[in-house]
Amino acid sequence: DIVMTQSPDFLAVSLGERATITCKSSQSVLYSSNSKNYISWYQQKPGEPPKLLIYWASTRESGVPDRFSGSGSGTDFTLTISSLQAEDVAVYYCQQYYSAPQVSFGGGTKVEV
Amino acid sequence: EVQLVESGGGLVQPGGSLRLSCAASGFTFNTKWMHWVRQAPGKGLVWVARINNDGSTTTCADSVKDRFTISRDNAKNTLYLQMNSVRAEDTAVYYCARESRYSSSLFDYWGQGTLVTVSS
Repeated sequence: DIVMTQSPDFLAVSLGERATITCKSSQSVLYSSNSKNYISWYQQKPGEPPKLLIYWASTRESGVPDRFSGSGSGTDFTLTISSLQAEDVAVYYCQQYYSAPQVSFGGGTKVEV
Repeated sequence: EVQLVESGGGLVQPGGSLRLSCAASGFTFNTKWMHWVRQAPGKGLVWVARINNDGSTTTCADSVKDRFTISRDNAKNTLYLQMNSVRAEDTAVYYCARESRYSSSLFDYWGQGTLVTVSS
C-alpha cells in the first residue's frame, strides 16, 4: 500500500501570506507511460465534504482560484496558497490515485489564520 | 447542477446491519463510476468501495471486504452501501463520491455525507 505523509499537521498563516503544505508518498506515483503524477489535493471546510482543488499534481480544477498551485514529482509534492484568504481556512488533504482503486489520502493539514 | 445526497445513517449495534443510499442528480448517472469514502470523527479520509458504471464490477477495501457490499440502481439513479457485521471502527461519516472524467479514483463531486455510529 502507498502511504501518504503530510506535513505539517497544523499551519497558522497571516492573511495575505503564503501557505505551503508538503505531501510525501512511500513510493513514486509518477506513471512513466504518460509522465503524469497521480496526486490530487482536496480542501475540506468544517462541516463540509472535501472539494477537489488540484489533480495531476499541478492542474487546477475548474473554478479554483489561481492562488492555489501544486507542484512536485515522483514522491514529493507541495500545495501552495500564494496569498491566504479568510475563506481558505480548512483542512487540506493530498491523495494518490496511482494505485486505483486502492487510493490513499494523507493525514491532513489544518490551515488557520 | 451535480447533487449527491446520502441517507440511511444512524446508530447501529455492533454486529448489526445498515444500508446507506446516495441519490444522484444533475448528471448521467449510468455513465459514471461511483465510490464510498469514509471519515471517522476528527480523522482523515479512507476509501471504502468502488463500483463501475453498470454495476458489474465492484471493489472494496480490505478493511470492509466480506462485510460491506456496494451496489447501484441506475433506473433510480441511486448508489448503495450495504453494511453488515459492523464494528465500532466503522463509525464514520460516509460520503459518496463521483469519479472524475480525468482519471480512475479521482473524485470530482462529493455528497454531504451520512453519519454511521456503531455502539451498544
